[in-house]
Amino acid sequence: DGGITQSPKYLFRKEGQNVTLSCEQNLNHDAMYWYRQDPGQGLRLIYYSQIVNDFQKGDIAEGYSVSREKKESFPLTVTSAQKNPTAFYLCASSIGGQARYEQYFGPGTRLTVT
Amino acid sequence: DQQVKQNSPSLSVQEGRISILNCDYTNSMFDYFLWYKKYPAEGPTFLISISSIKDKNEDGRFTVFLNKSAKHLSLHIVPSQPGDSAVYFCAARWKAGSYQLTFGKGTKLSVIP
Repeated sequence: DGGITQSPKYLFRKEGQNVTLSCEQNLNHDAMYWYRQDPGQGLRLIYYSQIVNDFQKGDIAEGYSVSREKKESFPLTVTSAQKNPTAFYLCASSIGGQARYEQYFGPGTRLTVT
Repeated sequence: DQQVKQNSPSLSVQEGRISILNCDYTNSMFDYFLWYKKYPAEGPTFLISISSIKDKNEDGRFTVFLNKSAKHLSLHIVPSQPGDSAVYFCAARWKAGSYQLTFGKGTKLSVIP
């Protein structure tokens, strides 16, 4: 069964702690993305990666870091430098290239920092 | 500056009637448009898309219309069903070669039985 897995679904952290959100896909997609959704807002792009060992900043990368060591995995670290980390985080992937452009999303992780 | 705008935060429609969700964009470099549907606490799911070289794409109950001169697209759902109640996001892709999508803020559709 192909898809995108994000774990955990809910995550709680104390302010000042770094936290890493997991994203794994078995769709054999080249490109992967991290988005953040806040209430009443659309999806805002944090980071994306078009290929292993390469990634680019999105619109709101400050306070976040990523790695892409394997095609299947694209973990996101929310650092203590992120001023408002509480949000719903979504990971996505796409085939890329000249293929269809739709992105496939995971179920999301709701992060609460207190 | 928002490049993809969904000006109606919410829409209510009777079951069986047509739902029309609208989306405007400002960047003429967008070449591909997509609609996603999202239930609370879940990831969005792809619904339907349209290339900028077309003006209509249909898939079952869902039809997307693109008016390039007006930089406007719309999603029609006919007939609307209670299970269609969700938030619908419009998204657009840059022509520049990146896989990056720009999303609107979404419209919450409520289909009333």
